[in-house]
Amino acid sequence: NAGVTQTPKFQVLKTGQSMTLQCAQDMNHNSMYWYRQDPGMGLRLIYYSASEGTTDKGEVPNGYNVSRLNKREFSLRLESAAPSQTSVYFCASLLQDYQPQHFGDGTRLSIL
Amino acid sequence: QQQVKQSPQSLIVQKGGISIINCAYENTAFDYFPWYQQFPGKGPALLIAIRPDVSEKKEGRFTISFNKSAKQFSLHIMDSQPGDSATYFCAATVLGTASKLTFGTGTRLQVTL
Repeated sequence: NAGVTQTPKFQVLKTGQSMTLQCAQDMNHNSMYWYRQDPGMGLRLIYYSASEGTTDKGEVPNGYNVSRLNKREFSLRLESAAPSQTSVYFCASLLQDYQPQHFGDGTRLSIL
Repeated sequence: QQQVKQSPQSLIVQKGGISIINCAYENTAFDYFPWYQQFPGKGPALLIAIRPDVSEKKEGRFTISFNKSAKQFSLHIMDSQPGDSATYFCAATVLGTASKLTFGTGTRLQVTL
């Protein structure tokens, strides 16, 4: 089982460039999430999709957009990258309440 | 405003010792408290979780203690092993709200020989 697959694994951007981070899960999970992880700050929720066709803002949505393309795929877009968006981005998926969120291995994004 | 406070930031424990990580929360609506373990270069993975209707949950060498009145919960790792060296995150969520997790800031555990 692949679980949650994130692409790319690493990326370097220049300020102002745009980029889409891809996430796909093969577990038939209903909910999907995007987090960012920064040193000393834990993981913070950017956007989530409780079910196919819905998306909502999390704690730190500014500068990001998302698309729930279908049940399997949930993408995160940076329209105009800023150095403050340098981070490790994690995608996660969840079948239902009381079940664990399954995380991908992250995308390490540096913005110069 | 940090809703889940975690301490310590880092911890060094000798092999065979007990590792203790503490978390405190503010939102009394939280009703599910998972702990995640993260190894370098990997995503977090669920370690153990507890609901507030119990005061303790044990799975192997890992135990969560929960104090609802104090709004605190802790992870105890008994007989700590070098393979337990990782970063640990406590988290909390309100069930029925898409299980959005609020994470603590993490504890980097190193178990020495």
